[in-house]
Amino acid sequence: KQEVTQIPAALSVPEGENLVLNCSFTDSAIYNLQWFRQDPGKGLTSLLLIQSSQREQTSGRLNASLDKSSGRSTLYIAASQPGDSATYLCAVGYTGANSKLTFGKGITLSVRP
Amino acid sequence: NAGVTQTPKFRVLKTGQSMTLLCAQDMNHEYMYWYRQDPGMGLRLIHYSVGEGTTAKGEVPDGYNVSRLKKQNFLLGLESAAPSQTSVYFCASSSYDNQPQHFGDGTRLSIL
Repeated sequence: KQEVTQIPAALSVPEGENLVLNCSFTDSAIYNLQWFRQDPGKGLTSLLLIQSSQREQTSGRLNASLDKSSGRSTLYIAASQPGDSATYLCAVGYTGANSKLTFGKGITLSVRP
Repeated sequence: NAGVTQTPKFRVLKTGQSMTLLCAQDMNHEYMYWYRQDPGMGLRLIHYSVGEGTTAKGEVPDGYNVSRLKKQNFLLGLESAAPSQTSVYFCASSSYDNQPQHFGDGTRLSIL
């Protein structure tokens, strides 16, 4: 059974800090990996999608990397802001799974002013 | 832009009652999904569809049924609600295989 792990479950940082959120997965036969953001009481917003053939993707202050061989992905947030406070989830799509995703439980980030 | 719309947003049911959750997307997406999100369990896939008229089971399908009679709509039914089905239900869609999934804002369902 594929497992996706995100540790720690919660993180609090001061504004302006560069930070890294980690995601690990047990099966390296992945199709893609997505990072999502979830605000309280809301649905998920897709931030970045990395194909299995890619090493990283960038969008604004966000950069996501993928290392299939080690079963890891990181989401780098540059110059964090209070508006970045949310829960960040990673999800892995596996080959032959018809785009079904296996989600981690998320990291709740709080950026202090 | 509407994107993915879920109806209703909140609902309280009694054990044994039935109800249908509606998901509508206006992006002409082929793939649609129903998830449930529970504290400590994360998001788990209930059922999904890869096109109009198709449905398939996900990780936790028991107690739920789905239908995809129209491409833009994906319905999730609870035939006899149980307290264990208290959860937040999310619908998502994607244009095709290996594309980002777009989520609705969720339906918060409580079963007493």
